[in-house]
Order: sequence, then C-alpha cells, then structure tokens
Amino acid sequence: GAVVSQHPSWVICKSGTSVKIECRSLDFQATTMFWYRQFPKQSLMLMATSNEGSKATYEQGVEKDKFLINHASLTLSTLTVTSAHPEDSSFYICSASGGGIGELFFGEGSRLTVL
Amino acid sequence: DQQVKQNSPSLSVQEGRISILNCDYTNSMFDYFLWYKKYPAEGPTFLISISSIKDKNEDGRFTVFLNKSAKHLSLHIVPSQPGDSAVYFCAASGGGSRLTFGEGTQLTVNP
Repeated sequence: GAVVSQHPSWVICKSGTSVKIECRSLDFQATTMFWYRQFPKQSLMLMATSNEGSKATYEQGVEKDKFLINHASLTLSTLTVTSAHPEDSSFYICSASGGGIGELFFGEGSRLTVL
Repeated sequence: DQQVKQNSPSLSVQEGRISILNCDYTNSMFDYFLWYKKYPAEGPTFLISISSIKDKNEDGRFTVFLNKSAKHLSLHIVPSQPGDSAVYFCAASGGGSRLTFGEGTQLTVNP
C-alpha cells in the first residue's frame, strides 16, 4: 500500500528554536497534505491543509506565522514550528491524499518536546 | 464544538468476545465515515469505512454499522484478539479528504 513517511519521528529542542518536520509520500503524488496535532488522550486536531504549489489553509485558532507549512512538491510537505515553546510539545501527524478520500494515508507521526 | 464524539475513552473485553466501539456525530453534512487504529507513537492506520448510502460494511472481523437517523455509527470486532488492543478513532468527512476525528477509544483485549 501507499506509504507516507515523516521525519524526524522524535525531536527535542530548546525553547525559542525552530523545528522542521518533513512529510513525504513515497510511492504516490500527493496533491493534498494535511497536518494534525494530537495531545495525549485527545483527538487528532486538524491544523492545516496544504495543496502543492499554493498557500496552506489553516484551521481557526492555528497561528500560521508560528506553524509554517510548505508544500513545494507533490511528494513533500514540511511543517516548521517557529520559536518553539514548551506548550508546542505535542505529537504531529501528517496525512497525504493522492485523490479521493479512499487514498488518504497517514505518516508515522513526529513527537516534539520543547524544553 | 466537537462534531464527532466518542463518549467512551476506554473499553476492555476478553479475547474471543465482541468489541463494540461507538461514535456519534452532529454534522448532517458528513457523508463518509472511517475508523482508524492507532498504536502509541505511531500514525493512524485505516481500518474500515462506510458511505452514508449504506448502513453496514463488513471486512473480516470488522463490521461498521451506520444509523443516519441517529447520527451514530459503531465498529464491531469479533472475535476480539489481544493484537486489537489500540486506540480507535472514528472520523467523518463531508466531502474530500478533510477529516474530523473523534477523541478516540482505548480498546484493551485481555487474553
């Protein structure tokens, strides 16, 4: 089946630094990628939707200047957490769509810990 | 506004018995529903889905039932196996690939 890979799977950084998380579709072209955030024992909350070559659409309450999303190619989207703070510590998951909803695949997730 | 709700944060069943996970939604525009299974520190993996034009979809040990009038769906796993222990997320779509997730239910299947 289709594979979506995230990197890094774990990252620890100091407060105030920026962290980039990559999401790659390995064997299909992803026209749309989604970024989610999950707090412990809570739902996956959609942060933003990115379409290749265009600006991301952010959900209400998500700071677009803090969570920079770039979808420069059909196989790669990146999420950059800028000036990270401890409250940004979370599990971030991407999903990629090659077309319809039946072609939606999730990455393995990236756990960010901000000290 | 939680449009998709899984009211049971956890469920424990014995191996071989049936597991029933429930999900309710409020948005009548949702027309496609999915269940995902998630292990700790991993991304969700797709399990089974159902379109709003159906009321049942079956795949091996997994069956999803949809009651549109009640805006309720359920996932049945029978027989349950210890390897089924995971968090199960219900998700809904009103078109396209944008999903709204429930809070998840931690299923524990005891040997």
